[in-house]
Amino acid sequence: EAGVAQSPRYKIIEKRQSVAFWCNPISGHATLYWYQQILGQGPKLLIQFQNNGVVDDSQLPKDRFSAERLKGVDSTLKIQPAKLEDSAVYLCASSLDGVSGYGYTFGSGTRLTVV
Amino acid sequence: QQPVQSPQAVILREGEDAVINCSSSKALYSVHWYRQKHGEAPVFLMILLKGGEQKGHEKISASFNEKKQQSSLYLTASQLSYSGTYFCGILQGGSEKLVFGKGTKLTVNP
Repeated sequence: EAGVAQSPRYKIIEKRQSVAFWCNPISGHATLYWYQQILGQGPKLLIQFQNNGVVDDSQLPKDRFSAERLKGVDSTLKIQPAKLEDSAVYLCASSLDGVSGYGYTFGSGTRLTVV
Repeated sequence: QQPVQSPQAVILREGEDAVINCSSSKALYSVHWYRQKHGEAPVFLMILLKGGEQKGHEKISASFNEKKQQSSLYLTASQLSYSGTYFCGILQGGSEKLVFGKGTKLTVNP
Protein backbone atom coordinates (compact mmCIF):
# COMPACT_ATOMS: atom_id res chain seq x y z
CA GLU A 1 0.00 0.00 0.00
CA ALA A 2 1.35 3.41 -0.94
CA GLY A 3 1.98 5.73 1.97
CA VAL A 4 1.00 9.35 2.56
CA ALA A 5 2.75 11.54 0.01
CA GLN A 6 3.87 15.07 0.85
CA SER A 7 5.72 17.73 -1.07
CA PRO A 8 7.98 19.57 -0.98
CA ARG A 9 10.34 17.93 1.54
CA TYR A 10 12.12 21.17 2.35
CA LYS A 11 11.30 24.83 1.91
CA ILE A 12 13.17 27.98 2.88
CA ILE A 13 11.34 31.30 2.58
CA GLU A 14 11.70 34.82 3.88
CA LYS A 15 9.26 36.17 6.45
CA ARG A 16 6.12 37.69 4.97
CA GLN A 17 6.34 35.40 1.93
CA SER A 18 3.74 32.73 1.21
CA VAL A 19 4.16 28.96 0.96
CA ALA A 20 1.97 25.97 0.16
CA PHE A 21 2.26 22.33 1.07
CA TRP A 22 0.58 19.40 -0.64
CA CYS A 23 -0.59 16.06 0.72
CA ASN A 24 -2.00 12.94 -0.90
CA PRO A 25 -3.39 10.51 1.70
CA ILE A 26 -3.66 6.75 1.54
CA SER A 27 -6.42 5.72 -0.83
CA GLY A 28 -9.69 5.16 0.99
CA HIS A 29 -8.71 7.04 4.14
CA ALA A 30 -11.57 9.35 5.01
CA THR A 31 -9.79 11.39 7.65
CA LEU A 32 -6.85 13.70 6.90
CA TYR A 33 -4.84 15.73 9.39
CA TRP A 34 -2.27 18.50 9.24
CA TYR A 35 0.07 18.66 12.22
CA GLN A 36 2.79 21.18 13.04
CA GLN A 37 5.85 19.82 14.84
CA ILE A 38 8.31 22.28 16.31
CA LEU A 39 11.75 20.88 17.07
CA GLY A 40 11.78 18.91 20.33
CA GLN A 41 8.00 18.90 20.74
CA GLY A 42 5.10 16.59 19.95
CA PRO A 43 2.97 17.15 16.85
CA LYS A 44 0.23 19.77 17.28
CA LEU A 45 -3.00 19.41 15.31
CA LEU A 46 -3.73 22.31 12.97
CA ILE A 47 -6.73 20.99 11.08
CA GLN A 48 -8.67 17.74 10.68
CA PHE A 49 -10.84 16.84 7.69
CA GLN A 50 -13.45 14.09 7.44
CA ASN A 51 -13.83 13.55 3.70
CA ASN A 52 -13.87 17.19 2.53
CA GLY A 53 -15.51 18.68 5.62
CA VAL A 54 -13.58 20.30 8.49
CA VAL A 55 -13.90 18.46 11.83
CA ASP A 56 -11.55 20.62 13.89
CA ASP A 57 -9.54 23.73 13.06
CA SER A 58 -9.49 25.29 16.52
CA GLN A 59 -5.68 25.60 16.59
CA LEU A 60 -5.25 26.85 13.03
CA PRO A 61 -4.10 30.52 12.98
CA LYS A 62 -6.76 31.51 10.52
CA ASP A 63 -5.38 35.00 9.91
CA ARG A 64 -2.43 33.44 8.07
CA PHE A 65 -3.07 29.71 7.60
CA SER A 66 -5.64 28.14 5.29
CA ALA A 67 -6.29 24.57 4.21
CA GLU A 68 -8.57 22.78 1.84
CA ARG A 69 -9.29 19.22 0.84
CA LEU A 70 -10.65 18.98 -2.65
CA LYS A 71 -13.05 16.14 -3.52
CA GLY A 72 -12.20 14.45 -0.23
CA VAL A 73 -8.74 13.34 -1.41
CA ASP A 74 -5.69 15.64 -1.79
CA SER A 75 -5.15 18.54 0.56
CA THR A 76 -3.14 21.74 0.56
CA LEU A 77 -2.02 23.87 3.50
CA LYS A 78 -1.04 27.47 2.87
CA ILE A 79 0.70 30.07 4.99
CA GLN A 80 0.44 33.72 4.00
CA PRO A 81 2.30 35.71 5.25
CA ALA A 82 4.85 33.51 7.02
CA LYS A 83 6.41 34.45 10.35
CA LEU A 84 9.68 33.30 11.89
CA GLU A 85 7.77 31.20 14.44
CA ASP A 86 6.21 29.16 11.63
CA SER A 87 9.54 27.36 11.18
CA ALA A 88 8.64 23.72 11.85
CA VAL A 89 7.95 20.39 10.21
CA TYR A 90 4.45 20.16 8.75
CA LEU A 91 3.15 16.62 8.86
CA CYS A 92 0.18 15.29 6.98
CA ALA A 93 -1.48 12.11 8.24
CA SER A 94 -4.47 10.03 7.24
CA SER A 95 -6.64 7.44 8.91
CA LEU A 96 -9.52 5.19 7.94
CA ASP A 97 -11.59 6.66 10.73
CA GLY A 98 -10.54 9.37 13.16
CA VAL A 99 -12.37 8.04 16.19
CA SER A 100 -12.47 4.25 16.08
CA GLY A 101 -9.51 1.94 16.58
CA TYR A 102 -7.37 2.95 13.62
CA GLY A 103 -3.92 4.45 13.82
CA TYR A 104 -2.66 7.36 11.78
CA THR A 105 -0.18 7.03 8.91
CA PHE A 106 2.09 10.04 8.64
CA GLY A 107 3.83 11.39 5.58
CA SER A 108 7.53 12.31 5.62
CA GLY A 109 6.67 15.94 6.30
CA THR A 110 7.79 19.29 4.93
CA ARG A 111 10.53 21.06 6.84
CA LEU A 112 9.85 24.80 6.63
CA THR A 113 12.48 27.35 7.54
CA VAL A 114 11.43 31.00 7.67
CA VAL A 115 14.35 33.46 7.64
CA GLN B 1 -5.34 19.12 27.13
CA GLN B 2 -1.86 17.77 26.46
CA PRO B 3 -1.00 14.44 28.15
CA VAL B 4 2.03 14.27 30.42
CA GLN B 5 4.72 11.76 29.51
CA SER B 6 7.39 10.44 31.85
CA PRO B 7 10.27 10.09 31.88
CA GLN B 8 11.42 12.75 29.41
CA ALA B 9 14.42 10.66 28.44
CA VAL B 10 15.85 7.24 29.19
CA ILE B 11 19.10 5.53 28.26
CA LEU B 12 19.31 1.75 28.15
CA ARG B 13 21.77 -0.95 27.27
CA GLU B 14 20.64 -3.50 24.72
CA GLY B 15 18.51 -6.15 26.38
CA GLU B 16 17.24 -3.95 29.22
CA ASP B 17 13.59 -3.10 29.84
CA ALA B 18 11.85 0.27 30.01
CA VAL B 19 8.44 1.71 30.86
CA ILE B 20 7.07 4.97 29.48
CA ASN B 21 4.00 6.52 31.09
CA CYS B 22 1.32 8.79 29.66
CA SER B 23 -1.17 10.55 31.94
CA SER B 24 -4.23 12.63 31.27
CA SER B 25 -6.16 15.02 33.49
CA LYS B 26 -9.43 14.10 31.77
CA ALA B 27 -11.24 10.86 30.99
CA LEU B 28 -9.70 8.99 28.09
CA TYR B 29 -11.45 7.33 25.18
CA SER B 30 -8.34 5.91 23.54
CA VAL B 31 -4.56 6.13 23.57
CA HIS B 32 -2.22 5.90 20.58
CA TRP B 33 1.51 5.18 20.76
CA TYR B 34 3.99 6.26 18.05
CA ARG B 35 7.76 6.08 17.62
CA GLN B 36 9.67 8.76 15.72
CA LYS B 37 13.27 8.40 14.66
CA HIS B 38 15.36 11.50 14.05
CA GLY B 39 14.36 13.24 10.84
CA GLU B 40 11.56 10.79 10.10
CA ALA B 41 7.79 10.74 10.43
CA PRO B 42 6.09 9.21 13.49
CA VAL B 43 5.25 5.53 13.02
CA PHE B 44 2.12 4.02 14.55
CA LEU B 45 2.81 1.29 17.13
CA MET B 46 -0.56 0.51 18.67
CA ILE B 47 -3.88 1.87 19.87
CA LEU B 48 -5.68 1.08 23.09
CA LEU B 49 -9.37 1.66 23.64
CA LYS B 50 -10.89 2.19 27.07
CA GLY B 51 -11.43 -1.04 28.96
CA GLY B 52 -7.97 -1.72 30.43
CA GLU B 53 -6.95 -3.65 27.34
CA GLN B 54 -3.32 -4.68 26.97
CA LYS B 55 -1.86 -4.96 23.49
CA GLY B 56 1.41 -6.21 22.12
CA HIS B 57 3.63 -5.49 19.15
CA GLU B 58 6.83 -7.58 18.93
CA LYS B 59 8.44 -7.08 22.36
CA ILE B 60 6.57 -3.83 22.91
CA SER B 61 3.27 -3.87 24.76
CA ALA B 62 1.00 -1.33 26.38
CA SER B 63 -1.72 -1.09 28.99
CA PHE B 64 -4.55 1.35 29.54
CA ASN B 65 -5.81 2.10 33.04
CA GLU B 66 -9.13 3.90 32.63
CA LYS B 67 -9.47 4.67 36.36
CA LYS B 68 -6.07 6.30 36.58
CA GLN B 69 -6.49 7.93 33.14
CA GLN B 70 -3.10 6.56 32.28
CA SER B 71 -1.37 4.37 29.72
CA SER B 72 2.01 2.70 29.95
CA LEU B 73 4.26 1.44 27.17
CA TYR B 74 6.50 -1.52 28.04
CA LEU B 75 9.66 -2.22 26.05
CA THR B 76 11.12 -5.62 26.85
CA ALA B 77 14.64 -6.81 26.01
CA SER B 78 15.31 -3.59 24.10
CA GLN B 79 17.06 -3.62 20.75
CA LEU B 80 19.16 -0.92 19.10
CA SER B 81 16.28 -0.35 16.65
CA TYR B 82 14.04 0.76 19.53
CA SER B 83 15.92 4.05 19.81
CA GLY B 84 13.81 7.08 19.02
CA THR B 85 11.26 9.39 20.58
CA TYR B 86 8.02 7.82 21.76
CA PHE B 87 4.83 9.85 21.73
CA CYS B 88 1.49 9.04 23.22
CA GLY B 89 -1.58 10.62 21.68
CA ILE B 90 -4.87 10.77 23.52
CA LEU B 91 -8.49 11.02 22.43
CA GLN B 92 -10.64 12.33 25.23
CA GLY B 93 -14.34 11.55 25.50
CA GLY B 94 -16.43 13.72 23.21
CA SER B 95 -13.47 14.87 21.14
CA GLU B 96 -12.16 13.64 17.80
CA LYS B 97 -8.86 15.50 18.21
CA LEU B 98 -5.76 13.39 18.94
CA VAL B 99 -3.49 15.38 21.29
CA PHE B 100 0.16 14.33 21.55
CA GLY B 101 2.45 14.49 24.56
CA LYS B 102 5.91 16.07 24.44
CA GLY B 103 7.57 12.72 23.90
CA THR B 104 10.07 10.44 25.66
CA LYS B 105 13.49 10.09 24.08
CA LEU B 106 14.76 6.52 24.29
CA THR B 107 18.38 5.69 23.56
CA VAL B 108 19.51 2.08 23.41
CA ASN B 109 23.26 1.56 23.49
CA PRO B 110 25.19 -1.64 22.63
